[in-house]
Amino acid sequence: DGGITQSPKYLFRKEGQNVTLSCEQNLNHDAMYWYRQDPGQGLRLIYYSQIVNDFQKGDIAEGYSVSREKKESFPLTVTSAQKNPTAFYLCAGGGNQPQHFGDGTRLSIL
Amino acid sequence: GQNIDQPTEMTATEGAIVQINCTYQTSGFNGLFWYQQHAGEAPTFLSYNVLDGLEEKGRFSSFLSRSKGYSYLLLKELQMKDSASYLCAVRDDTSGTYKYIFGTGTRLKVLA
Repeated sequence: DGGITQSPKYLFRKEGQNVTLSCEQNLNHDAMYWYRQDPGQGLRLIYYSQIVNDFQKGDIAEGYSVSREKKESFPLTVTSAQKNPTAFYLCAGGGNQPQHFGDGTRLSIL
Repeated sequence: GQNIDQPTEMTATEGAIVQINCTYQTSGFNGLFWYQQHAGEAPTFLSYNVLDGLEEKGRFSSFLSRSKGYSYLLLKELQMKDSASYLCAVRDDTSGTYKYIFGTGTRLKVLA
């Protein structure tokens, strides 16, 4: 099946721990994006990447890091510096085309 | 700056027509997009406009006026399954790259 695949669906983070959220795509999108959604809120941009080995900070990048070593993969690391990580994280692909989203990862603090 | 406004909640009756408005301010407008998001799920793409006018896709239509910074999503023959949040998003290319700015969403309740 083609699309944007995020894993895991649910993730729990302990105090002081870094966790990495996976995002893989087989749609040949050059551009990929990470968003955070809090309950009852819209999507806020964390990081985005237009091409391999390049990425830009979004509006709420503090406490997060990304890499783009391959076109197909854009993992997001939530570091211990992110003090309020509990949210729904969405990965999307598509810059000059309408964005399409993965199913999301729900991150909670233990 | 960049700003998108849409109503927080709307209620309509099954079989009716509902219009969800969206106003925006952005310096590098490059398209307006509508997404549907059911509770607990990811957004799914509905429609987009780059030029002024109306785009129709089945029961859904979207309208854009760039001079007014205004769009609406029109849903016809409402069904119970249309109960969801509807997100308005603007694509901005000010920085030379494509960024999408999302509104907070309009929660639509369809009543029997």
